[in-house]
Amino acid sequence: DADVTQTPRNRITKTGKRIMLECSQTKGHDRMYWYRQDPGLGLRLIYYSFDVKDINKGEISDGYSVSRQAQAKFSLSLESAIPNQTALYFCATSDRGTGGYGYTFGSGTRLTVV
Amino acid sequence: EDQVTQSPEALRLQEGESSSLNCSYTVSGLRGLFWYRQDPGKGPEFLFTLYSAGEEKEKERLKATLTKKESFLHITAPKPEDSATYLCAVPYHGGSQGNLIFGKGTKLSVKP
Repeated sequence: DADVTQTPRNRITKTGKRIMLECSQTKGHDRMYWYRQDPGLGLRLIYYSFDVKDINKGEISDGYSVSRQAQAKFSLSLESAIPNQTALYFCATSDRGTGGYGYTFGSGTRLTVV
Repeated sequence: EDQVTQSPEALRLQEGESSSLNCSYTVSGLRGLFWYRQDPGKGPEFLFTLYSAGEEKEKERLKATLTKKESFLHITAPKPEDSATYLCAVPYHGGSQGNLIFGKGTKLSVKP
């Protein structure tokens, strides 16, 4: 099994729908992140969490929300999806013990909003 | 504003043709520079961390170096399996520890 698992791998949804992307990890890491990747724009941070009770906005949090259900689970929600949220979404984890920067990424969720 | 710029955007090499990728950054008080490799349809995979100017790290055909303003990823005698997008990243200045800002990447293609 992968260290960081994202579900679903691919999703097509309609404008205005609510959608949740899920991430679970078996690394035992305390920190979890959501990034989105767009062609020509690179990876941009949406939200991050350093422990279960800690949630922080990243660079592009508008239109998104997150929930850290447990140390191993971090979900990303789009309350009302819009076409410009079409992107590749990545969950990542890191360990404070290594300075917090050696990320382990999931395989990504390709989201298309039509 | 913290920035990370990678060049070139794309690089095509013949198998065995050595070259270098560049990552320049503008951050105060660098707390490390990180290289990742990303294969199509997959998440980035961590390669190296460099912390101080003059430091070098090696892994197979890859060697990363760091100066005060930029980092280079040298690829020696590349093989087709080295084809991927290479990303560099630095921590946000003043941000919470653990947050990285990524460059847009260099897409490397190695032809047999």
